[in-house]
Amino acid sequence: QQQVKQSPQSLIVQKGGISIINCAYENTAFDYFPWYQQFPGKGPALLIAIRPDVSEKKEGRFTISFNKSAKQFSLHIMDSQPGDSATYFCAASTRDRGGSRLTFGEGTQLTVNP
Amino acid sequence: ETGVTQTPRHLVMGMTNKKSLKCEQHLGHNAMYWYKQSAKKPLELMFVYNFKEQTENNSVPSRFSPECPNSSHLFLHLHTLQPEDSALYLCASSQRTGPYHEKLFFGSGTQLSVL
Repeated sequence: QQQVKQSPQSLIVQKGGISIINCAYENTAFDYFPWYQQFPGKGPALLIAIRPDVSEKKEGRFTISFNKSAKQFSLHIMDSQPGDSATYFCAASTRDRGGSRLTFGEGTQLTVNP
Repeated sequence: ETGVTQTPRHLVMGMTNKKSLKCEQHLGHNAMYWYKQSAKKPLELMFVYNFKEQTENNSVPSRFSPECPNSSHLFLHLHTLQPEDSALYLCASSQRTGPYHEKLFFGSGTQLSVL
């Protein structure tokens, strides 16, 4: 069964701190790894994504670190802000003729205290 | 309006009721999806429509019946639901152009409570 394991389930960080969320997968057919951010009352929205041919991708304060041999990837949020408080989902994607198929992790509820 | 719009935002129904969830996308996409979001569980893909044709049904019980009259509209018809069906139901859309990774655009969801 294709699964993506995500941890921790919840995370509390002080303003200015670093938030780290980890994910692990088994299926080596996954070849695209997006992170989605969901604010209360809203649907998830794509935050940042990485392909397995690179080990790191950075966009502003958000960085994905990718370890292909360990089949793990993580999201780092530098200088965390209260506005970053949201639920974060990692995902892994495969492709076929019709398009892509996403498998999501269980989600991490991040709270950044002022 | 822009993006993906879902109505209603909240729905409470009894186990014998029949109701429908509506989704409309204003992005010109050719694929639409229904996902179920339950607390502390991964998002579960329910149905996929590509150019109005259902291309995926992930073993969803028949009490959930999707309908896609055109590429912009998607419905989820509900009947004789169970309390365990209570969840947030998310609609999403994307532009499928072949064997590539698409970006999903989600609506805000319908929070369903089954009594």
